[in-house]
Amino acid sequence: GQNIDQPTEMTATEGAIVQINCTYQTSGFNGLFWYQQHAGEAPTFLSYNVLDGLEEKGRFSSFLSRSKGYSYLLLKELQMKDSASYLCAVRDEPGNYQLIWGAGTKLIIKP
Amino acid sequence: GAGVSQSPSNKVTEKGKDVELRCDPISGHTALYWYRQSLGQGLEFLIYFQGNSAPDKSGLPSDRFSAERTGGSVSTLTIQRTQQEDSAVYLCASSLWGSSYNEQFFGPGTRLTVL
Repeated sequence: GQNIDQPTEMTATEGAIVQINCTYQTSGFNGLFWYQQHAGEAPTFLSYNVLDGLEEKGRFSSFLSRSKGYSYLLLKELQMKDSASYLCAVRDEPGNYQLIWGAGTKLIIKP
Repeated sequence: GAGVSQSPSNKVTEKGKDVELRCDPISGHTALYWYRQSLGQGLEFLIYFQGNSAPDKSGLPSDRFSAERTGGSVSTLTIQRTQQEDSAVYLCASSLWGSSYNEQFFGPGTRLTVL
């Protein structure tokens, strides 16, 4: 079956660094997405990885290891506004518009 | 507008009534998706439209749920004989075939409450 696992909830301190992990077991792989969703709002696109390695975008970085079925989202210099849920999603086949979604990780930032 | 829009933003209905939820995707986007999200949960895929192809309805939870997309643009999700377990936020997203990532752009959602 298709499965994506993320921790349910994480807590971190303002100014610190946090790593949110995502592991996946899918029939195929053609890209992994991270989305941010603030409470009561729609998800917004953060990052996309299709090749192994680290993609950096400002304070946010995303890493992928296809052989391990593993990704993480790294958030640096945490700000209170980073409190949100972070959703991991996988496209399992090329040209497949549908994504397989994880349940999301709720990140709580404390001062 | 530049983004995906949905209406209404909130809908409260009585059990057994029918409801219609509307989605206006980003202009030119060929793919449109409907999801359901219960409080504190991830996204549950419902249905997906791509151009003129037959929609993928594999995620619809029962035959009370249906959706259509007129003219390759606006979509309506209809829930007949609503039940309390249908209460959730219904999210619509669109994407553009051939874009760098085919990432999905989400609308603000419709919060449905069935009393």
